[in-house]
Amino acid sequence: SQTIHQWPATLVQPVGSPLSLECTVEGTSNPNLYWYRQAAGRGLQLLFYSVGIGQISSEVPQNLSASRPQDRQFILSSKKLLLSDSGFYLCAWSPGYNEQFFGPGTRLTVL
Amino acid sequence: QKEVEQNSGPLSVPEGAIASLNCTYSDRGSQSFFWYRQYSGKSPELIMFIYSNGDKEDGRFTAQLNKASQYVSLLIRDSQPSDSATYLCAVKGDNAGNMLTFGGGTRLMVKP
Repeated sequence: SQTIHQWPATLVQPVGSPLSLECTVEGTSNPNLYWYRQAAGRGLQLLFYSVGIGQISSEVPQNLSASRPQDRQFILSSKKLLLSDSGFYLCAWSPGYNEQFFGPGTRLTVL
Repeated sequence: QKEVEQNSGPLSVPEGAIASLNCTYSDRGSQSFFWYRQYSGKSPELIMFIYSNGDKEDGRFTAQLNKASQYVSLLIRDSQPSDSATYLCAVKGDNAGNMLTFGGGTRLMVKP
């Protein structure tokens, strides 16, 4: 069966500090991968998606970036965090059709 | 811009009743429709999906789709307090990346 991991689970960072969140998927190959952000009390905002190694599409212009160095690894980064970057960051995977499955998420607080 | 609309709630129903959650979408080219449940502080989990007009049943859950009216709903029969959560509607259009557009979610409260 497939499993998706995210770490860290929680993170508190000062404004202006860098960020690196990691997501890995087990039990499948060549998945589509997605990064979402959910602000408090809000819906899911798609940030990036990837259909293959090195292929990243950005949905929202901002100070975040994503990379996919390996087939089942997806990384979300920032060079300098803003207060507005606080939120619940969710990684999801899809077999390439229909449904997406979410990881446990990383709760980021920027102070 | 593709939009998915849900009433934010809270929708309050007594235990054992039927909860009805509704969702409308703007893109007529939408192909598949998903319902996710999200408990407070947790990530969304997939309940079911539907892509043909009509009803699809899975246990206590029934998804209903009406493409002409651009409307999808989720019925929860015999609602339990453990069903209390936020329910997210998601819509997939005709896109190569299998991207989903999510509604803001409806908060459901099932009272014992």
